[in-house]
Amino acid sequence: GAVVSQHPSRVICKSGTSVKIECRSLDFQATTMFWYRQFPKQSLMLMATSNEGSKATYEQGVEKDKFLINHASLTLSTLTVTSAHPEDSSFYICSARASGGWGSEQYFGPGTRLTVT
Amino acid sequence: AQSVTQPDIHITVSEGASLELRCNYSYGATPYLFWYVQSPGQGLQLLLKYFSGDTLVQGIKGFEAEFKRSQSSFNLRKPSVHWSDAAEYFCAVENRGGKLIFGQGTELSVKP
Repeated sequence: GAVVSQHPSRVICKSGTSVKIECRSLDFQATTMFWYRQFPKQSLMLMATSNEGSKATYEQGVEKDKFLINHASLTLSTLTVTSAHPEDSSFYICSARASGGWGSEQYFGPGTRLTVT
Repeated sequence: AQSVTQPDIHITVSEGASLELRCNYSYGATPYLFWYVQSPGQGLQLLLKYFSGDTLVQGIKGFEAEFKRSQSSFNLRKPSVHWSDAAEYFCAVENRGGKLIFGQGTELSVKP
């Protein structure tokens, strides 16, 4: 149980275009989903937290107009990178949590490799 | 400020040898601590977690970790490493907002 999927696993796009990444909890309802960014050989940096039906909360330094997050249902959150540029190339990982309580386990998706050319 | 430090960026051990990966945290209250493993190009898998109680925590794949409040440490150990354990390991602390704060990661290589 507790499987989180991401789609696509890899995407290559041209500079200036937008890319949407989906994160789904397959066998549980996720009240909260998190989006992380990971550069090569580096740690995960939290970008934003999204709760179903409400606006995402972005971490300091993350442009909310560039990284649009929609948590439309209890099983789906999407991250749209708008007007992507080469510096947006990275590994994006989502996680999902079943309850809102502190200490509840987060389940991670397999990640999406974005390359902007 | 809350933070997690993994002092070792890269560790190489021989297959069958014991392993200890270090993790130090900075957190004002009793922390929720986690160890995750990440294989290349993959997401994170939870190895074990500490919330309270017994300070020696058993996890999956034969891993264990010991919470030492006096040293602000949560080191990960395995008595005998297998080649399949080669991966990136992340220590994390969860803050009161439910957000995970990750260490920089330790890359483990296993020699045959």
